[in-house]
Amino acid sequence: DAGVIQSPRHEVTEMGQEVTLRCKPISGHDYLFWYRQTMMRGLELLIYFNNNVPIDDSGMPEDRFSAKMPNASFSTLKIQPSEPRDSAVYFCASSSYGAGTDTQYFGPGTRLTVL
Amino acid sequence: SQKIEQNSEALNIQEGKTATLTCNYTNYSPAYLQWYRQDPGRGPVFLLLIRENEKEKRKERLKVTFDTTLKQSLFHITASQPADSATYLCALVDQTGANNLFFGTGTRLTVIP
Repeated sequence: DAGVIQSPRHEVTEMGQEVTLRCKPISGHDYLFWYRQTMMRGLELLIYFNNNVPIDDSGMPEDRFSAKMPNASFSTLKIQPSEPRDSAVYFCASSSYGAGTDTQYFGPGTRLTVL
Repeated sequence: SQKIEQNSEALNIQEGKTATLTCNYTNYSPAYLQWYRQDPGRGPVFLLLIRENEKEKRKERLKVTFDTTLKQSLFHITASQPADSATYLCALVDQTGANNLFFGTGTRLTVIP
């Protein structure tokens, strides 16, 4: 398996633009997680899905952020409109049985810069 | 407030020595605690998991301890090598049963040849 795949790897955009980040989890994994990593706040969970259903989105910072998982092999995280404070590295991770007893496999991340 | 603190931002150690990294938590009741390694420009990679009722876990040169009284986990790398240089993150799952994994801010380890 190729592991968790994220695209794009780097994104530079201007304030106010829409940004869409994409993730393909490992085949057969039932859980998908979106994280954001910054120097100030470290790695924070934004939202997670179980069997394509959003379970907990309490980490999503604002209504400008939305995430979807239309099928088991694809998820998107959208920011509209983007702001400079959204600049961070966004990671997608997947696992078989959830965060507790199971390993989470992280993708390489998308480095987002909002000018 | 809830906090997960890792002892220092950076730790330098001589090759061959044992590196010890600390993770302290406040206002959590962890069911599980995990350690990850993160290299620059990459996502975290899982290393070890320890449950609340376990005191110690080992994997090759790695050892993790978990003391729920002290609210602390220690992560040891014995016979450290330059290739062990990376940022190490601790993360925990609270006993509320949610799948949320809460991460510390990490310790950047540098092993000097």
